Amino acid sequence: DAKTTQPPSMDCAEGRAANLPCNHSTISGNEYVYWYRQIHSQGPQYIIHGLKNNETNEMASLIITEDRKSSTLILPHATLRDTAVYYCIVRVGGGGADGLTFGKGTHLIIQP
Amino acid sequence: DSGVTQTPKHLITATGQRVTLRCSPRSGDLSVYWYQQSLDQGLQFLIQYYNGEERAKGNILERFSAQQFPDLHSELNLSSLELGDSALYFCASSVSLLTDTQYFGPGTRLTVL
Repeated sequence: DAKTTQPPSMDCAEGRAANLPCNHSTISGNEYVYWYRQIHSQGPQYIIHGLKNNETNEMASLIITEDRKSSTLILPHATLRDTAVYYCIVRVGGGGADGLTFGKGTHLIIQP
Repeated sequence: DSGVTQTPKHLITATGQRVTLRCSPRSGDLSVYWYQQSLDQGLQFLIQYYNGEERAKGNILERFSAQQFPDLHSELNLSSLELGDSALYFCASSVSLLTDTQYFGPGTRLTVL
């Protein structure tokens, strides 16, 4: 799986969009970008994933650059409940026969 | 609520003891994963079962073992416990081997005294 780089922490004001970057410059053509988050000591929660097109669901949007070397997770209207550690994970599609490799992630703090 | 359940929520035991953690996957999910989260090691994959068979191993110690039963629930057995085994243990499930979308349970907090 490709290595990812994320800032250790970020702040965002409540109600604003939170933009979390992730660098994955060694990503291969068959590797997907996944985002999970973990709210304090709870089980990690799946957010979104994509291959090369931008994706949106009810939780967030995922923007992947054209060269696929970086991506941004966007939480459009952050709330206090979005304070969590966000993990960007890159792995081969259909690689369900293995566990996820979590890095240190980005600790996002939503300020009131 | 992810649909994955884990019991017990908390477990306190002594060094040298053996414990069993239990996980029930989401309805219909065939794959179960176990993870350990400690303060110094972060979230680490331990082992995966798919439809009753072991499929992948991560950083699982020889003192630890797991199994998945015909009803698809899984148990993680930890023996000869050491202080360093104190951690959060998460179970996750996914519907098949073709997806990387895993749904995590609330975890079991193990404290070894």
